[in-house]
Amino acid sequence: QVQLEQSGAEVKKPGASVKVSCKASGYAFTKYGITWVRQAPGQGLEWMGWISTYNGNANYPEKMQGRVTMTRETSTSTIYMEVRSLRSDDTAVYYCARRGGDATEDALDIWGEGTLVVVSS
Amino acid sequence: DIQMTQSPSSLSASVGDRVTITCRASQSVRRYLNWYQQKPGKAPRLLIFGASNLQDWVPSRFSGGASGTDFTLTINNLQPEDFATYYCQQSFDNPTFGQGTKVEI
Repeated sequence: QVQLEQSGAEVKKPGASVKVSCKASGYAFTKYGITWVRQAPGQGLEWMGWISTYNGNANYPEKMQGRVTMTRETSTSTIYMEVRSLRSDDTAVYYCARRGGDATEDALDIWGEGTLVVVSS
Repeated sequence: DIQMTQSPSSLSASVGDRVTITCRASQSVRRYLNWYQQKPGKAPRLLIFGASNLQDWVPSRFSGGASGTDFTLTINNLQPEDFATYYCQQSFDNPTFGQGTKVEI
């Protein structure tokens, strides 16, 4: 079935980097873009950026520019998101989600289970 | 960035009630408005896309409406499994989400 499988929880110290993976299966990988969304404890959803799995082009919100990089590996249908210079307020569950494209007005129709990243000294 | 203002932030309801959640966009998003349901400890799930189109798994007691920059999610005959947090999201531009509405007993 169509699914996104994410890597496991991480604990990092402030200033470190984290790289989270998201492996897609059950559909044509390069046909749909992938968005990353995070959710701090008890908070709402925040867009972290998205990547075209077709050509690797990525787009990030201004507040994350320079600290986040999204890449993809077409041979394994895997997307990666790296966040650098981690701060305590980066503590959150990070989700990857598939952009459904024209069929769903670009809604996020498939979600990974989430990866908890804890930033603590 | 397009701001999404969702209200209320929480509401109390009973099984069988009718519930309406509102989302207002700071500018036109046409019909690029989506709703998600999230239960504790779980990832969000797409409920409605394009303002009023239900995903396959969604029962018909859910409906979405639109009027200009105002959007609504209505749940008729609220069921126990509907108690969750609901988010609106615009996909017209770089995605932004509403603050969420927690529907609780």
